[in-house]
Amino acid sequence: EAQVTQNPRYLITVTGKKLTVTCSQNMNHEYMSWYRQDPGLGLRQIYYSMNVEVTDKGDVPEGYKVSRKEKRNFPLILESPSPNQTSLYFCASSDHSGGATDTQYFGPGTRLTVL
Amino acid sequence: EDKVVQSPLSLVVHEGDTVTLNCSYEVTNFRSLLWYKQEKKAPTFLFMLTSSGIEKKSGRLSSILDKKELFSILNITATQTGDSAVYLCAVPTSGTYKYIFGTGTRLKVLA
Repeated sequence: EAQVTQNPRYLITVTGKKLTVTCSQNMNHEYMSWYRQDPGLGLRQIYYSMNVEVTDKGDVPEGYKVSRKEKRNFPLILESPSPNQTSLYFCASSDHSGGATDTQYFGPGTRLTVL
Repeated sequence: EDKVVQSPLSLVVHEGDTVTLNCSYEVTNFRSLLWYKQEKKAPTFLFMLTSSGIEKKSGRLSSILDKKELFSILNITATQTGDSAVYLCAVPTSGTYKYIFGTGTRLKVLA
């Protein structure tokens, strides 16, 4: 089944404790992206990647890191989480080969709480 | 500054009603506009619009784009309780693959 998976789905942590949220897709998509969703603010893009070893900042990259060493994986790293990073996080992927489409497929979401 | 604005913020209707959701945008070098439906989980794709005046249709849902007036509408006819969700509109910013999402319209359909 074509899908985007994220782990963990739920995470409660404390300020300053480094964490990684994994994202993997099995659709051979070039494009991958991370979003956070907060009440009243909608979905905001954190980072995106056009292909392996190519990443770029979205609108809210502060406090986050990403890497794209393999096509299928795009982990989101919080080196020193703070309470304002408490949010619902979505990973998404898209097939942009041949300039085709902006349609993104979203993972199930990771609900992160930083105490 | 690129932006996407959706209206109304929320809407409550009864089953069988027809609803119209609005998405206006300001972005240079427009490429596409996308509609998503979000229930209690991840957004799912509904439509991608690139050309003005051409209606996209899927069952009771349809959408159209007006590139001159910079907006799109999403229509849902004969609404059902299963249509209750947040409807999101998104636009890629000029010349990039950064996406701006509107804050969404929360639709509640009462039986």
